Amino acid sequence: SAVISQKPSRDICQRGTSLTIQCQVDSQVTMMFWYRQQPGQSLTLIATANQGSEATYESGFVIDKFPISRPNLTFSTLTVSNMSPEDSSIYLCSVRTGEGTDTQYFGPGTRLTVL
Amino acid sequence: AQSVTQLGSHVSVSEGALVLLRCNYSSSVPPYLFWYVQYPNQGLQLLLKYTSAATLVKGINGFEAEFKKSETSFHLTKPSAHMSDAAEYFCALDARGGTALIFGKGTTLSVSS
Repeated sequence: SAVISQKPSRDICQRGTSLTIQCQVDSQVTMMFWYRQQPGQSLTLIATANQGSEATYESGFVIDKFPISRPNLTFSTLTVSNMSPEDSSIYLCSVRTGEGTDTQYFGPGTRLTVL
Repeated sequence: AQSVTQLGSHVSVSEGALVLLRCNYSSSVPPYLFWYVQYPNQGLQLLLKYTSAATLVKGINGFEAEFKKSETSFHLTKPSAHMSDAAEYFCALDARGGTALIFGKGTTLSVSS
């Protein structure tokens, strides 16, 4: 298994600003994912972050809006840029512990409110 | 394309009653299937998973699910609901391509005394 922590746990931000969310895992993992959960909705994959390469973004998400870093096998950041109220969501980091493993583990989430 | 459909966005049961949360999937390859639970203001916790071994899978907190290929279903059940089971439940599919999970829209379970 994997234990995942996220910082901050919640934040309230002003429109037009940016917020960087950190994800730390207690072990080295191959695959890291960032999801968005809008109020009352399910989880939507933003991007897959692999160490040593650029993140792969899903349709509807772009690097300029959601830049991602993956400097090593235990850490990743997601930045929500030029925020608007529509970005108010829970952002979740998720990992798989190795190629072909069948379980994804989730962090506690970052609850973002944009005013 | 792979997809997950959860029937019923909201299910209400009485304490002690049977819990049944429905999940149907579509996949072009034999999938792995998961149920996650999300308690208020928390992240997702894995309840149970099906990975092509036994079709009846037992998870934590007394939950179990049965994989039925003929019905493309993976319904979640618990014989007797407890107040602490009130939460959001998500069914998810892994198409075994090394990609991220595909989630259903979720079902909110309410338990009344």
